[in-house]
Amino acid sequence: GEDVEQSLFLSVREGDSSVINCTYTDSSSTYLYWYKQEPGAGLQLLTYIFSNMDMKQDQRLTVLLNKKDKHLSLRIADTQTGDSAIYFCAERKSGGYQKVTFGIGTKLQVIP
Amino acid sequence: EAGVTQSPTHLIKTRGQQATLRCSPISGHTSVYWYQQALGLGLQFLLWYDEGEERNRGNFPPRFSGRQFPNYSSELNVNALELEDSALYLCASSADIRANEQFFGPGTRLTVL
Repeated sequence: GEDVEQSLFLSVREGDSSVINCTYTDSSSTYLYWYKQEPGAGLQLLTYIFSNMDMKQDQRLTVLLNKKDKHLSLRIADTQTGDSAIYFCAERKSGGYQKVTFGIGTKLQVIP
Repeated sequence: EAGVTQSPTHLIKTRGQQATLRCSPISGHTSVYWYQQALGLGLQFLLWYDEGEERNRGNFPPRFSGRQFPNYSSELNVNALELEDSALYLCASSADIRANEQFFGPGTRLTVL
């Protein structure tokens, strides 16, 4: 995951907004993803953004992409205890064959 | 529609042994991916199969191998197990090689003693 970097840990209070950040290195990345992993479970795709977009909103989730700085963020509004999980940022590189590179994951802890 | 399934859920082996992990993709999906999630290392890409062929391989030694069967299910084999192979092994599938989304299974927890 050295091409995709994330902070390891984030703690927020229930009801506050959470912002999870990610940086990537490959400017040719076509899609950028956010996955959620709950304890003992596999990864669940939350949302993804195409590289020619700046923002994507889906209910409580807002994804912001700064392509110039190669920075991706996931904002969770009104964070709930059920949002506690590990969040993975991932990039899909350009080219005919799909290869997705994941970050190390950010553990989000929501304090009641 | 059933999701990606993996077996076994847990596997305990000793050093030097061989482990076989299995994955069934979502019906109709032709691509299967294997990832290793070791503690503190995030997800590391292992192998990608599509239509029975190995399409890409991550930076892992040759003792990590696998195959994809005609029904698109897949096996991951790890030979000469080492302690550091202890990890959660995740399988994912996608509709084809250009699909945007990978659907993940629950994983197999491999413990090497």
